[in-house]
Amino acid sequence: GNSVTQMEGPVTLSEEAFLTINCTYTATGYPSLFWYVQYPGEGLQLLLKATKADDKGSNKGFEATYRKETTSFHLEKGSVQVSDSAVYFCALSAPPGYSTLTFGKGTMLLVSP
Amino acid sequence: GAGVSQSPSNKVTEKGKDVELRCDPISGHTALYWYRQSLGQGLEFLIYFQGNSAPDKSGLPSDRFSAERTGGSVSTLTIQRTQQEDSAVYLCASSLEDRQPQHFGDGTRLSIL
Repeated sequence: GNSVTQMEGPVTLSEEAFLTINCTYTATGYPSLFWYVQYPGEGLQLLLKATKADDKGSNKGFEATYRKETTSFHLEKGSVQVSDSAVYFCALSAPPGYSTLTFGKGTMLLVSP
Repeated sequence: GAGVSQSPSNKVTEKGKDVELRCDPISGHTALYWYRQSLGQGLEFLIYFQGNSAPDKSGLPSDRFSAERTGGSVSTLTIQRTQQEDSAVYLCASSLEDRQPQHFGDGTRLSIL
């Protein structure tokens, strides 16, 4: 079946530090990959996505590249801000349930001034 | 607003009672999804609607759980004879059509006493 594994948190960083949150996946067929973010007290928001190998999704300074050879979709940001503190979820959609999302367990990011 | 709306935002009920959770998707979105977010299990898919039909209900954990969608719009998730393990945040999402990015509501936090 489909599954997503992401690094456990919390990840604690100082403002302006470099961020990497690792995500690897197992999927049947050819998945689409997503990062969702959940800010404190808010719902899940789509952060970025990639639908084919070597695609790079980017948004708000965050980037992730779809690596088929390593089945990975690591999230990166060059300089984090306090406002980036949130829980980040890696997710995929793939056959047989192409319409539904399979999520990782989430990684909490805490950024201090 | 124009986002996915869920009600109630919080629900506390006694074990054994039935509960009904409501989701209003973004206008014009044909696909609707229910997920459950709990501490031990992370984010789990429950059921997917395309229009009024549910081609994938594989995530419903037991026959106490059911959902319907009427008029291709509002959906209700019903849990009968609630148990303490049903305590979780129930999230609804919608997308313009199948396989498009999903937009999430803020969820209903369900607490079973």
